[in-house]
Amino acid sequence: QKEVEQDPGPLSVPEGAIVSLNCTYSNSAFQYFMWYRQYSRKGPELLMYTYSSGNKEDGRFTAQVDKSSKYISLFIRDSQPSDSATYLCAMSERAQKLVFGQGTRLTINP
Amino acid sequence: DTAVSQTPKYLVTQMGNDKSIKCEQNLGHDTMYWYKQDSKKFLKIMFSYNNKELIINETVPNRFSPKSPDKAHLNLHINSLELGDSAVYFCASSQDYAQREKLFFGSGTQLSVL
Repeated sequence: QKEVEQDPGPLSVPEGAIVSLNCTYSNSAFQYFMWYRQYSRKGPELLMYTYSSGNKEDGRFTAQVDKSSKYISLFIRDSQPSDSATYLCAMSERAQKLVFGQGTRLTINP
Repeated sequence: DTAVSQTPKYLVTQMGNDKSIKCEQNLGHDTMYWYKQDSKKFLKIMFSYNNKELIINETVPNRFSPKSPDKAHLNLHINSLELGDSAVYFCASSQDYAQREKLFFGSGTQLSVL
């Protein structure tokens, strides 16, 4: 079993839809949870950073962490074609390396 | 102004050759990394340098040798290239090792070994 599981998709939704992206993990010691966005032929860029459990909101993006279920989510409201990208979850224990999910490829159709 | 830049963007070479990838960051960060992204998009750390000192070496074959001449530069030299080395290699940096969750990535080097 991989430490971090993420459905690679692809996921295709119409413009304006609410998008839900998810990762599950097995290591209960993970404390730091991130979402990176990667456009085609580009490097990943940090989108959201969360420490421990709870929600974090930034504009149209909301990150949720449920440590009891070992489950994290990224919600995108009012999705735009410019949101089309691969979204990678990442997580780490304190003072340890980051572990990335496989990434979910998302397409927003105009 | 590109924050983390790496060259070349594409590298096509024959098996057995030696090649290098260069990386530079102008963010003033202390820590730099090499990551490898395979064909299934899994991103895995290879090396990390903090202020020119190697701090992470993730069981990478010793054909891969990183070099950091100063904290703004981290190069990757690969000897005796193999087919399995084909991947996208990303350089990244963070303000320091404590901020390693907040990575700034370069655009990647697509390495194809024929």
